[in-house]
Amino acid sequence: KQEVTQIPAALSVPEGENLVLNCSFTDSAIYNLQWFRQDPGKGLTSLLLIQSSQREQTSGRLNASLDKSSGRSTLYIAASQPGDSATYLCAVGGTSYDKVIFGPGTSLSVIP
Amino acid sequence: DAGVTQSPTHLIKTRGQQVTLRCSPKSGHDTVSWYQQALGQGPQFIFQYYEEEERQRGNFPDRFSGHQFPNYSSELNVNALLLGDSALYLCASLGQGVLYEQYFGPGTRLTVT
Repeated sequence: KQEVTQIPAALSVPEGENLVLNCSFTDSAIYNLQWFRQDPGKGLTSLLLIQSSQREQTSGRLNASLDKSSGRSTLYIAASQPGDSATYLCAVGGTSYDKVIFGPGTSLSVIP
Repeated sequence: DAGVTQSPTHLIKTRGQQVTLRCSPKSGHDTVSWYQQALGQGPQFIFQYYEEEERQRGNFPDRFSGHQFPNYSSELNVNALLLGDSALYLCASLGQGVLYEQYFGPGTRLTVT
């Protein structure tokens, strides 16, 4: 049974800092891994999707890496801004259409 | 291009009642998944619909049922509501092609009193 964890549960940083969010999963037989952002009480916004054959994906100040063998993914946010404050969730898909398993999320607060 | 839409936005129901939530997938998407997100937790998979059939189901009781229409829109029905059913209900449509990227709607906030 796939289990997904995220560390840390909460993070508070001053504006401008670079930061790393961690995601771990127990079953390395994944199809893809997706990082989402969620603002309070809102739906999920997709940030990056990494296929199982890929090692990383980049979008603007965001970079996500994937190491299937160790069951880990990291989301790197460069030059953090107050607008980055949100909860960040990682989600793992087991097959091409399999149900997606979410981690509990990391609550990020960027202080001006 | 409209994204995933959900209705209603908010809903308040009493224990024992029944509720229906609605979702329209992103244009061109034929697969819809439903998730329940309790406060402070990650979304939990309820079920997925493809070609009007339930293709996958998570660990939810039979009180949770769904339907997909020929236009790919979907409904989530919950019977005999419990206080513990209070949550944000999210609908996601699945992108076509090899990426199978999920696109989420804004959610429906259900409060059971």
